[in-house]
Amino acid sequence: NAGVTQTPKFRVLKTGQSMTLLCAQDMNHEYMYWYRQDPGMGLRLIHYSVGEGTTAKGEVPDGYNVSRLKKQNFLLGLESAAPSQTSVYFCASSQAPGNYGYTFGSGTRLTVV
Amino acid sequence: GIQVEQSPPDLILQEGANSTLRCNFSDSVNNLQWFHQNPWGQLINLFYIPSGTKQNGRLSATTVATERYSLLYISSSQTTDSGVYFCAASLQGGSEKLVFGKGTKLTVNP
Repeated sequence: NAGVTQTPKFRVLKTGQSMTLLCAQDMNHEYMYWYRQDPGMGLRLIHYSVGEGTTAKGEVPDGYNVSRLKKQNFLLGLESAAPSQTSVYFCASSQAPGNYGYTFGSGTRLTVV
Repeated sequence: GIQVEQSPPDLILQEGANSTLRCNFSDSVNNLQWFHQNPWGQLINLFYIPSGTKQNGRLSATTVATERYSLLYISSSQTTDSGVYFCAASLQGGSEKLVFGKGTKLTVNP
């Protein structure tokens, strides 16, 4: 049981380049989330999805887009990377709202130069 | 939105000591979770505890929802307990958008 898998694990981008981070879960969870973690800031929600075909904005959505075409996958896109997007990105999933905790992926460390 | 505050920000212990980490939140919540981030960055869910008390081995957690706080207890600490402990909560009547505190960094020395 792989849980939540994120690819890639590391990436260096030049300012203005684009990329897509992939999150895949095999637990049949309805909800999926993208967070970013910066030093001293904790985790902040970028976008989330409450089911296949749905997406919604979180706390810090600017500069990112997401898609949930399949229930098991949640993609995070950066159209034009900026140094301020240097961060560690975490994907998480959970079952429908109620008595369930989150399962996190291992993270993607992104550096924009 | 909801505010989540954790204390202390840093904690250094000798192996075998006990500790209590605190999480205060600003509104009524329907979801309160504790996570441990190990030194390699992996986030592990410790407890889902919007109210009441739960125990898992040397760790236990208590949430007093009416007073808007939660406590994480670590007994007989081990070096493997080192890392950052996060509390996260979401608003009652809202969606499942967890808001994280800034964490408590725990260092357990041998």
